[in-house]
Amino acid sequence: DTGVSQDPRHKITKRGQNVTFRCDPISEHNRLYWYRQTLGQGPEFLTYFQNEAQLEKSRLLSDRFSAERPKGSFSTLEIQRTEQGDSAMYLCASSSRGRLNEKLFFGSGTQLSVL
Amino acid sequence: DAKTTQPPSMDCAEGRAANLPCNHSTISGNEYVYWYRQIHSQGPQYIIHGLKNNETNEMASLIITEDRKSSTLILPHATLRDTAVYYCIVRVGGSGAGSYQLTFGKGTKLSVIP
Repeated sequence: DTGVSQDPRHKITKRGQNVTFRCDPISEHNRLYWYRQTLGQGPEFLTYFQNEAQLEKSRLLSDRFSAERPKGSFSTLEIQRTEQGDSAMYLCASSSRGRLNEKLFFGSGTQLSVL
Repeated sequence: DAKTTQPPSMDCAEGRAANLPCNHSTISGNEYVYWYRQIHSQGPQYIIHGLKNNETNEMASLIITEDRKSSTLILPHATLRDTAVYYCIVRVGGSGAGSYQLTFGKGTKLSVIP
C-alpha cells in the first residue's frame, strides 16, 4: 500500500454516461498526477496539480475530461459522455515538493470499462 | 524527454541476479534515469534513479555507463514477487517546467521462474 487511495477500483458504464473517479493522495504531498493506461501500454500522463492549481494538461485530456483538486487535497477526474475508447486504467499519483528529484507514489488505479 | 529502448521480455531464475538493460542514447546532461516497476493489477512503483553515478538501495542497483547512453537495473536475488513490467524512464531533474511528467514506454516484462 503506497498510501494513495483511488475509488472505485472498478467501474462499468454504458457509452454516453458520465463517470467520476476520486483520488486521495498521501496527506503531506502537494503534487498530484493523473495517468491513463491501456492494455499492453505504459501509463500516459494526463494532468498535474500543484496544490489546487492545475498546471499542466496533456493533449490526451479532451474536452470531455475534467479534473479538479478543490482544496489541494483529494482530486476527482470526471469523464462526460463516455466512449468505448475511454476504457482504460486511470492511475493517480502524488509526490512532495522539496526534493530535487521526486519520486511518484501511485495508487492501484480505477479500471474503467465502457460498454 | 529522451526516448528509451528496452527488451520486451526477459526471464530470470529465482535466486539469481536479474539484469535489465536500457538504452537512452539521446539523453541530455540534465536528465536523470528512473526505474519503476508495475506488478499486475497495481500502479507503478518507484525503484531507483540516478544521474551518472551508480546507485544502490534496498531494492536494486543502477549501473549507468560512463557516456550515460545506457544503464542496467540489477535485482541481486530475484524472487517470484519481482515478476513485473519494468520501466526505464529518462526525465529532466528538478522541479521546473516539464520535469513533472514521466514518459513511460512499454517496458520489459520480467518473469522470474522457480
